[in-house]
Parts: sequence; C-alpha cells; structure tokens
Amino acid sequence: KQEVTQIPAALSVPEGENLVLNCSFTDSAIYNLQWFRQDPGKGLTSLLLIQSSQREQTSGRLNASLDKSSGRSTLYIAASQPGDSATYLCAVTPRGLTGGGNKLTFGTGTQLKVEL
Amino acid sequence: DTAVSQTPKYLVTQMGNDKSIKCEQNLGHDTMYWYKQDSKKFLKIMFSYNNKELIINETVPNRFSPKSPDKAHLNLHINSLELGDSAVYFCASSQSGGSFFGQGTRLTVV
Repeated sequence: KQEVTQIPAALSVPEGENLVLNCSFTDSAIYNLQWFRQDPGKGLTSLLLIQSSQREQTSGRLNASLDKSSGRSTLYIAASQPGDSATYLCAVTPRGLTGGGNKLTFGTGTQLKVEL
Repeated sequence: DTAVSQTPKYLVTQMGNDKSIKCEQNLGHDTMYWYKQDSKKFLKIMFSYNNKELIINETVPNRFSPKSPDKAHLNLHINSLELGDSAVYFCASSQSGGSFFGQGTRLTVV
C-alpha cells in the first residue's frame, strides 16, 4: 500500500527566503507525481506535474524534482512571498492502473506561512 | 471559465437525510473522481469513473452512490447521512496528464 509523507508539517519563514518542501513515498512504481497548493476553504490548484520518466519540472519560482528510486520529491520555492502562504500537497499516481485514470494518493501536506 | 465546478459549495443537513452533490467538467476529460477531505485535512479517493463507467471504488459505504450521466458529469448521492460524513468533498477530472479539482463542497451533518 502506497504511503506518502510530507516533511515538515508546518513551516514559517520570512519573506524572500528560498525554501524546500519534502515528499516521500513508499512504492516507487509510480506513473507521475503532482504538487498542489490549497488555500484555506478553497480547492486544490495544480502547481507541477512530473512524469515518472522526468527528473524535474519548473514553473516560475517553483521547481519540483523527482528521485523515483529513493521515493522522494522536493518542491523548491525561490524568493518566497506572503502570497505563497498555503498548504502544499504532493500526490502520486500508481503505475499500471487499469481502465485509465489518475488515482492520486495524497501526502499529509505542509502548511506554509510566509511572513512580511 | 471554470474547469471543474461542483454545487453546492456548502451543505448543512440533519442526520438521516439524503443529499446530492453535483459536478461538471468542461475540460473534455474522460475520467472523473470524488475525493473526501476529512477534519485532519487528509485527502482520500472515493470513486473514479472513466467514460461513465466505475473503475475505482475505495471501500466506500454503499450509502454513497456516484452517478455519471455522461463523461462531463459525475454526481454523488448520499443516503441516510451520518455525523461522520461531515467533510469536504472534492470532484476532480483527468486525462493523460494531471488532475484538476473543483472548489469542494463542505458537508456538515448535524
């Protein structure tokens, strides 16, 4: 059974800092890994999607890496801003899912607060 | 344009009632899902439909019955609501790439 863990559970940093959020998964047989952010009372916004054959993806100030063999992914946020404050979730899709689909197993989340 | 939309956004109801949540996606995706986020904010898949056919049912009580009239819609009907059903329910859709989520329906059973 796939288990996804995120460390730290909560993080508070001053504005402008570069930071790293960690995600680990127990079963390396994944199809892809996706990072989301969730604002309080809101839905999930997809940030980055990394296919199992890829090592990293970048979007603006965000960079996500994937090391499938060690079961780890990191989300790097450069020059953090107060608007980055949210809960960040990583989720993996298992390989070999029949009938199509992108069933996600979610991590426990990292609650980020960026202070002025 | 909203990609994945669900209604209602908030739902407060008494124990024992039956309620439905509706979901629609305009992304042209073949696969739709229902996820549940519990009070500890943990998200877990409930159901997945591919082109109107059920492909995943994660041991959800049979009081929960999803229905997909077409591949753009996936509704969730819940019978005999219990206090423990209180949660945020998210609809999502995907194709070959990543998943896209709706804004969630906060269900409170009193």
